[in-house]
Amino acid sequence: EVQLVESGGGLVQPGGSLRLSCAASGFTFSSYWMSWVRQAPGKGLEWVANIKQDGSEKYYVDSVKGRFTISRDNAKNSLYLQMNSLRAEDTAVYYCASQDDVYFDYWGQGTLVTVSS
Amino acid sequence: SYVLTQPPSVSVAPGKTARITCGGNNIGSKSVHWYQQKPGQAPVLVIYYDSDRPSGIPERFSGSNSGNTATLTISRVEAGDEADYYCQVWDSSSDHNYVFGTGTKVTVL
Repeated sequence: EVQLVESGGGLVQPGGSLRLSCAASGFTFSSYWMSWVRQAPGKGLEWVANIKQDGSEKYYVDSVKGRFTISRDNAKNSLYLQMNSLRAEDTAVYYCASQDDVYFDYWGQGTLVTVSS
Repeated sequence: SYVLTQPPSVSVAPGKTARITCGGNNIGSKSVHWYQQKPGQAPVLVIYYDSDRPSGIPERFSGSNSGNTATLTISRVEAGDEADYYCQVWDSSSDHNYVFGTGTKVTVL
């Protein structure tokens, strides 16, 4: 059974940093592109970033470029999102998702990030 | 950037058919994927590549895509189908951008 378990969310002040983690199991993690997708409270889904199987390619939505960094450790079956210079508009549930080509086939339960003073 | 427009809400009686549209410029030239999200839960893929169903998704869920509109159809609607539904495409015209629709709340009367 595929499992994706996010952690690391919490309350952080504007301008602060947070590192999210996603532990994967039940599939060959190193064979898949992986993404982070977020959902602001009461809002729709927004793709944030993704990373190629070997970490050699990374892509970001314009609003987080230069502030967020996606990474992975295939030996630990883990995905990460380092978030710096956080803003109020980054407040959301962050989901880890595996990609099959250009769609998201499995999702974690999400971790809530709240940016507020 | 590419925009996908969905109706905010669709209401349907049990046993009837719900149709959820996803509008985009020449969306028929793209592959459309659909997700179901129940309150407090993560999204679940229900249709990929316009009309394919992942294993475990009932045959009542089907999809089509042509021109400027993609459609998710739910036949013989059940109370358990009440959820938010999102369409999604990959916008090849921008830098690796994955675009989601605005979302549609399906209410079972």
